[in-house]
Amino acid sequence: DAMVIQNPRYQVTQFGKPVTLSCSQTLNHNVMYWYQQKSSQAPKLLFHYYDKDFNNEADTPDNFQSRRPNTSFCFLDIRSPGLGDAAMYLCATSTETGAAQPQHFGDGTRLSIL
Amino acid sequence: GQNIDQPTEMTATEGAIVQINCTYQTSGFNGLFWYQQHAGEAPTFLSYNVLDGLEEKGRFSSFLSRSKGYSYLLLKELQMKDSASYLCAVTDSNYQLIWGAGTKLIIKP
Repeated sequence: DAMVIQNPRYQVTQFGKPVTLSCSQTLNHNVMYWYQQKSSQAPKLLFHYYDKDFNNEADTPDNFQSRRPNTSFCFLDIRSPGLGDAAMYLCATSTETGAAQPQHFGDGTRLSIL
Repeated sequence: GQNIDQPTEMTATEGAIVQINCTYQTSGFNGLFWYQQHAGEAPTFLSYNVLDGLEEKGRFSSFLSRSKGYSYLLLKELQMKDSASYLCAVTDSNYQLIWGAGTKLIIKP
């Protein structure tokens, strides 16, 4: 089945130690998104790529960066994780950025900071 | 500012009907989505409304009134597996998706 896959499901890192989360998709969608979601809160968009065009949300901390080496893969790099970065990180895809396009989500990576 | 309002939590009984409301104030409107999210899992797409009226899909229906900035998700014949959070999200005039915080639905036997 075509899908969005995130690895790992659970990630533990130390305060200040860089961590990379990965996402792959077999849907061949143009757009890939990274969201941060904390408990009982709305997903917060961090970045999105339309193909190779990178779009950074204005309030995304500089600590967060992203790479999309090809259509199928996208990475979220957190350079120096703080305790406030503990959250669920969701990757999503859509065919286009147009209004009627639902986003397809991976299962998420839950990040814990020690 | 842009805002999506949903009740934080609702409780309903297995087999019953529940309506989850969503009101929005956004800079423009290009459609409204409902997603279901089980605890610890990713959101899954339920419905999309861009025109006024009711869209029915099995046990789930979604209604939109653009003039009132209002939508609801109607769940019929509730099952225990429907216990989840339901998120309302609106696409604004810049095609940005604005998310609500979700309504946690608890189903009791």
